[in-house]
Amino acid sequence: SQTIHQWPATLVQPVGSPLSLECTVEGTSNPNLYWYRQAAGRGLQLLFYSVGIGQISSEVPQNLSASRPQDRQFILSSKKLLLSDSGFYLCAFTEAPGTGELFFGEGSRLTVL
Amino acid sequence: AQKVTQAQTEISVVEKEDVTLDCVYETRDTTYYLFWYKQPPSGELVFLIRRNSFDEQNEISGRYSWNFQKSTSSFNFTITASQVVDSAVYFCALSEAQDTGGFKTIFGAGTRLFVKA
Repeated sequence: SQTIHQWPATLVQPVGSPLSLECTVEGTSNPNLYWYRQAAGRGLQLLFYSVGIGQISSEVPQNLSASRPQDRQFILSSKKLLLSDSGFYLCAFTEAPGTGELFFGEGSRLTVL
Repeated sequence: AQKVTQAQTEISVVEKEDVTLDCVYETRDTTYYLFWYKQPPSGELVFLIRRNSFDEQNEISGRYSWNFQKSTSSFNFTITASQVVDSAVYFCALSEAQDTGGFKTIFGAGTRLFVKA
C-alpha cells in the first residue's frame, strides 16, 4: 500500500535561517506531489505541485521553493525564513492516473522566531 | 478560476444534533472532482468522500451524507446525530485535471465543528 512520510515533524527556526522539509512516497510510481501550508486557524493554501521529476508549478510567489530530485521525493526549501513562513506544512500525493484524491503526510509544524 | 467557499467558520452543536456544513464552488471546467476532508486535532487530513462532476447522486455513509447540486454549485455535508468525536475542522475541496498532467486541488477555508457532550 502507498505511504507518505514527511519530516521533521516540528521545527523552530530563527528569522533569516534556511529551511528544508522533505517528503517521500512509497508504494506508487510517478505520483503527483503537492506542498500545502496551513496558517494557524486558516485553510490550506497550495504552494507547489509537481507532475514529474524536475517539473514544479508554483502557485504563490514567496520566498519558498520546491524541488523534486527523484520520482517519489519532494523537498520544500527556503534560503531565508520570514516570520510569515510559520505554519503547518503538509505534503500530499495523488496517484497517476487518478481522480485527484489526496493522501497527506503527517505534517511539519514550523515556527519562525 | 477555481474557488471554494465555506462560509461557516465555526459551528457549535450539542451531541445528537444534526449539522450541515456548506460548500459552494466555482469552476469553468465541466469535468472536476469534489471532496470533503476531516482534520482532527492531531492535524493529519483524512479523506471522507469524492464526487465527480457527472454524478449528482447523493450519498450516505453511516451518519454522514452529502448533497451535490450542480445547479447551485454546492456540495453540502450533513452529520446526523453528531458525536463528540466529530469535533474537527472539515474542508471542502475542488480538483481539476491540468493540461500538464495531474490534478490541481484547492481547498475552502474550512469549518471548525465543535460537538458538546
